[in-house]
Amino acid sequence: GENVEQHPSTLSVQEGDSAVIKCTYSDSASNYFPWYKQELGKGPQLIIDIRSNVGEKKDQRIAVTLNKTAKHFSLHITETQPEDSAVYFCAATHNDMRFGAGTRLTVKP
Amino acid sequence: NAGVTQTPKFQVLKTGQSMTLQCAQDMNHNSMYWYRQDPGMGLRLIYYSASEGTTDKGEVPNGYNVSRLNKREFSLRLESAAPSQTSVYFCASSEGRGEIGYTFGSGTRLTVV
Repeated sequence: GENVEQHPSTLSVQEGDSAVIKCTYSDSASNYFPWYKQELGKGPQLIIDIRSNVGEKKDQRIAVTLNKTAKHFSLHITETQPEDSAVYFCAATHNDMRFGAGTRLTVKP
Repeated sequence: NAGVTQTPKFQVLKTGQSMTLQCAQDMNHNSMYWYRQDPGMGLRLIYYSASEGTTDKGEVPNGYNVSRLNKREFSLRLESAAPSQTSVYFCASSEGRGEIGYTFGSGTRLTVV
């Protein structure tokens, strides 16, 4: 089955800096790659996604890139703010959605 | 608010007790899912229901059963709880399977002592 690895497990940045989270996947048939943000005590919330026929997608301060050949994808957050502090999960989908272990992002004011 | 509603939010069980976690969605979604979240392991799929009337095992189904009661409701049952089932359980739904995002509930924190 699909195996998704996510790095780093924790990330601390200063407000205004950029943050990058990277994921790799094993199943070359995976074709949909969502990113979720989970705030304390809440369920994961979809923040951005990318499909296998697209290399990059942006939505305001967040962007995702996908390298199908290397089987890795990344989340980029620019101009980070304290409210970006949360746990972020990547996922890869081939019928079933498999999640990475998560990255705890802390943005220091 | 529209979304996925899970009950209860917290539960403590003794080893061997049984319980049912409830989930309901009001978005007219076809597919529903149960995940468990453990520290350092992300979310792992327990069972899913691709459409009303169907259920299938996910990655970690042992010790659990599910019922898709109707299009809105998907319940998860622990027949004989074990300490290894201490976890946070999330229900999710989506319009279909595949290239589409899920909407998650706020979770049930279950402790088995």
